[in-house]
Amino acid sequence: GEDVEQSLFLSVREGDSSVINCTYTDSSSTYLYWYKQEPGAGLQLLTYIFSNMDMKQDQRLTVLLNKKDKHLSLRIADTQTGDSAIYFCAVSEGGADGLTFGKGTHLIIQP
Amino acid sequence: DAGVIQSPRHEVTEMGQEVTLRCKPISGHNSLFWYRQTMMRGLELLIYFNNNVPIDDSGMPEDRFSAKMPNASFSTLKIQPSEPRDSAVYFCASRDDRTVYNEKLFFGSGTQLSVL
Repeated sequence: GEDVEQSLFLSVREGDSSVINCTYTDSSSTYLYWYKQEPGAGLQLLTYIFSNMDMKQDQRLTVLLNKKDKHLSLRIADTQTGDSAIYFCAVSEGGADGLTFGKGTHLIIQP
Repeated sequence: DAGVIQSPRHEVTEMGQEVTLRCKPISGHNSLFWYRQTMMRGLELLIYFNNNVPIDDSGMPEDRFSAKMPNASFSTLKIQPSEPRDSAVYFCASRDDRTVYNEKLFFGSGTQLSVL
């Protein structure tokens, strides 16, 4: 089955850019997502990209997709304390199947 | 809409007891998913329903786990008997599969289960 890998922790200084990386194994993955989980809360959809796109920008968020290398990244510009959370990469082949999630990257913001 | 609603938020029980987790999906969503989150294994898909019918339950750990969706607005996940290793956060999520390119999952706040 699909395997999605992420680093467990990322530490950045407030104001710097954060780049969270994700790799996946199934080249037929069609939909790729980033979810954010704040302490004690459920996962909240942050942004998503279709496999026919290379990049998507949404305010401070930039998603880059390298289909050849099966690599997805999330860049958060001007990282703020409110960005402190766990970020999950998730992929889907489409259809009625559920998503396959990575284990999540804990983003730690240093003052 | 109030979003996906799960209850209870927290459940503490003793080993061997029956536990029932409840979920109300977003109105109009026709797919419902149960996930389990632990530090060791991350997020695991347990089972999902489409139009109230279980489609894939291959993620259900063992026969102690069962899930039902009697109607479009309610689902339960039951563990009987519960064991300490079942301690985790259980999430319910729903999705509207009727719209093309609308694969977005919406999650509830989760049920934190502790089995002592």
